[in-house]
Amino acid sequence: NAGVTQTPKFRILKIGQSMTLQCAQDMNHNYMYWYRQDPGMGLKLIYYSVGAGITDKGEVPNGYNVSRSTTEDFPLRLELAAPSQTSVYFCASSLQASGGPSTDTQYFGPGTRLTVL
Amino acid sequence: DQQVKQNSPSLSVQEGRISILNCDYTNSMFDYFLWYKKYPAEGPTFLISISSIKDKNEDGRFTVFLNKSAKHLSLHIVPSQPGDSAVYFCAAKNVRGGFKTIFGAGTRLFVKA
Repeated sequence: NAGVTQTPKFRILKIGQSMTLQCAQDMNHNYMYWYRQDPGMGLKLIYYSVGAGITDKGEVPNGYNVSRSTTEDFPLRLELAAPSQTSVYFCASSLQASGGPSTDTQYFGPGTRLTVL
Repeated sequence: DQQVKQNSPSLSVQEGRISILNCDYTNSMFDYFLWYKKYPAEGPTFLISISSIKDKNEDGRFTVFLNKSAKHLSLHIVPSQPGDSAVYFCAAKNVRGGFKTIFGAGTRLFVKA
């Protein structure tokens, strides 16, 4: 099991450019999440998905879009990159979200460090 | 509004001694608390958790204590090892409330050999 994988590891974008951050999991988890971590801050939820075809906004969704066409993949799209989107992005997955400790634990990918100049 | 606060950005401890990482929360609806550990260039990994029906949970060298009246939890690492040097995130959620997990800003632990 590879767990949760993310690509790319690093990326530098110019203002106004677009890109897609890739995320995949091979644990057959229902729930998938995108977080961003800014320096000195906790993880902030951008978008989440409860299953293929179902996505919803988290705390900080502005400037991002997601899709979930398969159980395994959950890409995050930045359409018009802005300096405020400079951050480290983490994708995570969990089997459930309200099942209790044994199923709700989130597993994280290694992160993508994005810089927008 | 930070619902989960880790007020110490960093902590330095000698190898073999106890490390105590603290976390405070404001939302009384939280009933499940987690600690994640993060090494550089890696994602956070789950370390230990505690349900609000308990006040202590132990797993090897790691123990989490929960004081509900004070809305405070702490992670104890005994004895501390150099490999424990990492960033530790405290997180909280309401199990019946679904997916939303609130993370603290993290505490960077340095364990000196």
